[in-house]
Amino acid sequence: AQSVAQPEDQVNVAEGNPLTVKCTYSVSGNPYLFWYVQYPNRGLQFLLKYITGDNLVKGSYGFEAEFNKSQTSFHLKKPSALVSDSALYFCAVRDMGDYKLSFGAGTTVTVRA
Amino acid sequence: DTAVSQTPKYLVTQMGNDKSIKCEQNLGHDTMYWYKQDSKKFLKIMFSYNNKELIINETVPNRFSPKSPDKAHLNLHINSLELGDSAVYFCASRGTGTGELFFGEGSRLTVL
Repeated sequence: AQSVAQPEDQVNVAEGNPLTVKCTYSVSGNPYLFWYVQYPNRGLQFLLKYITGDNLVKGSYGFEAEFNKSQTSFHLKKPSALVSDSALYFCAVRDMGDYKLSFGAGTTVTVRA
Repeated sequence: DTAVSQTPKYLVTQMGNDKSIKCEQNLGHDTMYWYKQDSKKFLKIMFSYNNKELIINETVPNRFSPKSPDKAHLNLHINSLELGDSAVYFCASRGTGTGELFFGEGSRLTVL
């Protein structure tokens, strides 16, 4: 079985400050990890993924995420947040060889000007 | 060109009716999905097809029936609609290997 936990329902930061959205996962095998963003009344947009290799992955719009196997975490980060980063963020995990992608409950990010 | 397109975008109907949502992808992907997003924004997988073969069928009421006429299309038919079926339904597709899912814009179903 696979699952994802996003411990924070909401994250609030000031523009220009660092942004971190937390994610922990559970899989039986090797994880494929993903971050998606959803703007109001829109579909989910892919931000970045970890499959293998370097633990720090870089993605769209200046986002990056760090894979930590010992802590089973995959936190999303942005060094300097923008008001336009305000959205709903989802972490997702898929076990290698599995078709099913499981999502966390989502974290609403609000960046204030 | 929209990669994953769903129709209709909005659907308002009465309890007990039957409705369908259509999905098409032009990415050449082999695998397609239906997800349900409830009012709390929680995403739950419903079905997945790979090359027209059903590979994921979560615990969904059998009033929901997916159909994949070819690998570019995955439709969702819902019989005897209930109030609890109100949600946003997302279609997605994925290529082979480690690829991410590409999502459609969603179909918002409201059952009155």
